Amino acid sequence: QSALTQPASVSGSPGQSITISCTGTSSDVGTYNYVSWYQQDRGKAPTLMIYEVSKRSSGLSHRFSGSKSGNTASLTISGLQAEDEADYYCSSYTSGSTLVIFGGGTKLTVL
Amino acid sequence: QLQLQESGPGLVKPSATLSLTCTVSGGSLGSSSYYWGWVRQPPGKGLEWIGSIFYSGSTYYNPSLKGRVTISVDTSKNQFSLNLSSVTAADTALYFCARLSDLRWNFDYWGQGTLVTVSS
Repeated sequence: QSALTQPASVSGSPGQSITISCTGTSSDVGTYNYVSWYQQDRGKAPTLMIYEVSKRSSGLSHRFSGSKSGNTASLTISGLQAEDEADYYCSSYTSGSTLVIFGGGTKLTVL
Repeated sequence: QLQLQESGPGLVKPSATLSLTCTVSGGSLGSSSYYWGWVRQPPGKGLEWIGSIFYSGSTYYNPSLKGRVTISVDTSKNQFSLNLSSVTAADTALYFCARLSDLRWNFDYWGQGTLVTVSS
């Protein structure tokens, strides 16, 4: 089963908004509202940010939001800050014997 | 506060079996609604789900690992373990243990990760 498809990199200037896409299939993103987003600093454990497509983890800034349309989920970060520079991964529940599948990850650079 | 901690050898020889243990503190492995499992990340690459186990012993594995994976749980020690057989250099990675919610299907708690290098 292939990984969910994410852009390898995105960038934006402080204060701007960016969106990271996560494209799957009807076996995962398109059917189930169990898309999550994780932030990871290099060499550290990922941190859960968004779950069930659009629900924020406790304490997460409202600058982060999630959505889904068809087979594609999206993470939007508004009012970009230097501290947002990190790698971002999506994941989804998937049908069959594989429980979850990850995206390939997106490196966010704040210019 | 739930905490997970990986332990095991940092260097494994090719064709050998990689064995890691995750010790859970601040909570019980016997809790329903959670799977306990492993995720790995090769250097410079993305996350890959390896497999997960329910406290009852039911297991799910990533088919891409072609039967090389075994995950087991010891509720008396509040630990679960990963065995990955016939390793090659491609199995060199940062290995994380993590809790997977079966209500929300997200990984909400993670260990800090342990680097395992496959080399002779």
